[in-house]
Amino acid sequence: QVQLVESGGGVVQPGTSLRLSCAASGLRSRTYAMHWVRQAPGKGLEWVALISDDGSNQHYADSVRGRFTVSRDNSKNTVYLQMNSLRAEDTATYFCAKDPGGYYSRFDYWGQGTLVTVSS
Amino acid sequence: DIQMTQSPSSLSASVGDRVKISCRASQAIRDYLNWYQQKPGKAPKLLIYAASSLQGGVPSRFSGSGFGTDFTLTISSLQPEDFAIYYCQQTYLSPEAYAFGQGTKLEIK
Repeated sequence: QVQLVESGGGVVQPGTSLRLSCAASGLRSRTYAMHWVRQAPGKGLEWVALISDDGSNQHYADSVRGRFTVSRDNSKNTVYLQMNSLRAEDTATYFCAKDPGGYYSRFDYWGQGTLVTVSS
Repeated sequence: DIQMTQSPSSLSASVGDRVKISCRASQAIRDYLNWYQQKPGKAPKLLIYAASSLQGGVPSRFSGSGFGTDFTLTISSLQPEDFAIYYCQQTYLSPEAYAFGQGTKLEIK
C-alpha cells in the first residue's frame, strides 16, 4: 500500500527558508514522478512543482520559480521541497502527490500535508 | 495561462440526487482532465482521470465525460459520504500549467 508522509512544516518569518520532505513507502522498488501541490487556508489547490522519476527534470509554477527547488533521493524514497525567500503568500498546506506515469498525468496518491505558515 | 472554470461554485443536493458539476478550460485540452474529491482536513482523492476513466476503488456512481474544453463530473445517486469539494485539473499543457479549477462545494440540502 502506497503511503506518502510529508514533514518539515512550521512557522517561519518572511525571507527565511524551510525544507519539506515527502517520504514514500509501498512503491515496490519503483520510482515515479512526484508533485508538490499547496492549498492556502480556505482556498483551492495550486500546483507547485514536479520532479521526474529519476530527478533529471523539474518544473515549477511561476509563483515559486527561482525561490523553490524540488529534489529527490531515490535511495531514501524521499522527495524534498527547498523553499527560500518565503513570503506571506506561501502560507499553505503543502501536499506531495505521486504521478503513476503513462500517457495521462494524474495524482493518484497524496500525503496528508504539512502546514507552512509565513508570518512575522 | 490556461484557466479552468468550474460551475457551479457551490451546490446543495439531497441524498439520492443526480448531480452534475461542470469544468471548462480556456483552451482545448483534449481529454487530459482529472477530477478530485476533497473532504475537510483531508488530502484530495483522485476520482476520474483522462476525462472519463474511473480510478481504481472509486464507486461506479461517479462518472466523467467531455473532450476539448467542456467536461462534466456526474454523481448518479448522491451518498452521504459524497458531500465534499470537487476540483477539476488539466494536465495537457506543460506542467507549469497543471491548473486546478476553483472547486465546487457540494452541500447537503
